[in-house]
Amino acid sequence: EIVMTQTPLSSPVTLGQPASISCRSSQSLVHSDGNTYLSWLQQRPGQPPRLLIYKISNRFSGVPDRFSGSGAETDFTLKISRVEAEDVGVYYCMQATHMYTFGQGTKLEI
Amino acid sequence: EVQLVESGGGLAQPGGSLRLSCVVSGLSFRDSWMHWVRQAPGKGLVWVSRIKSDGSDTIYTDSVKGRFTVSRDNAKNTLYLQMNSLRAEDTAVYYCATDWFGATDNWGQGNLVTVSS
Repeated sequence: EIVMTQTPLSSPVTLGQPASISCRSSQSLVHSDGNTYLSWLQQRPGQPPRLLIYKISNRFSGVPDRFSGSGAETDFTLKISRVEAEDVGVYYCMQATHMYTFGQGTKLEI
Repeated sequence: EVQLVESGGGLAQPGGSLRLSCVVSGLSFRDSWMHWVRQAPGKGLVWVSRIKSDGSDTIYTDSVKGRFTVSRDNAKNTLYLQMNSLRAEDTAVYYCATDWFGATDNWGQGNLVTVSS
């Protein structure tokens, strides 16, 4: 089973400042079809999760461009260029290359 | 507007059964792979199961194999999760979600399942 490890687990941030979350997988997420199925989701308090990024760096429809994803193989990063108050919540990475696995979640708090 | 509406949750005794439903509208359900994801109170997301668009292929996380069965009725735009031999550790909010290039793009509001005597 693939293990997804996120760091940090909690991140105090300052409004207007950047934030970054790391996600590391226990093995390469490059699929035999050449794609890397790593996505990022945001879960605001009391809400279902919301897709932000898919296949490492593709921003989903309606997601602000302050969110960006990068990485390759086993190491991936979600960056928020300037944190806004509405960004508070828990962020999860998820892999879909070898079955499906979520990271533990990173709590972003102001 | 895409909508996923779950139902069927509630209280079940250990060893009991429940069937969750997820009615999907606003997209081509018959073309969509579907997932079930759960979240225990105060905990993180855990992927449970995935079913392909025609129901031909289903996979499960190890902890529910042999106990849970995912199915779908494309004529009714409905996804199901039959949960048998329920355990206390199955207590969670259960979400259905659509698949988008291996990610999960549309989510229901969630349905609480509580397993307790």
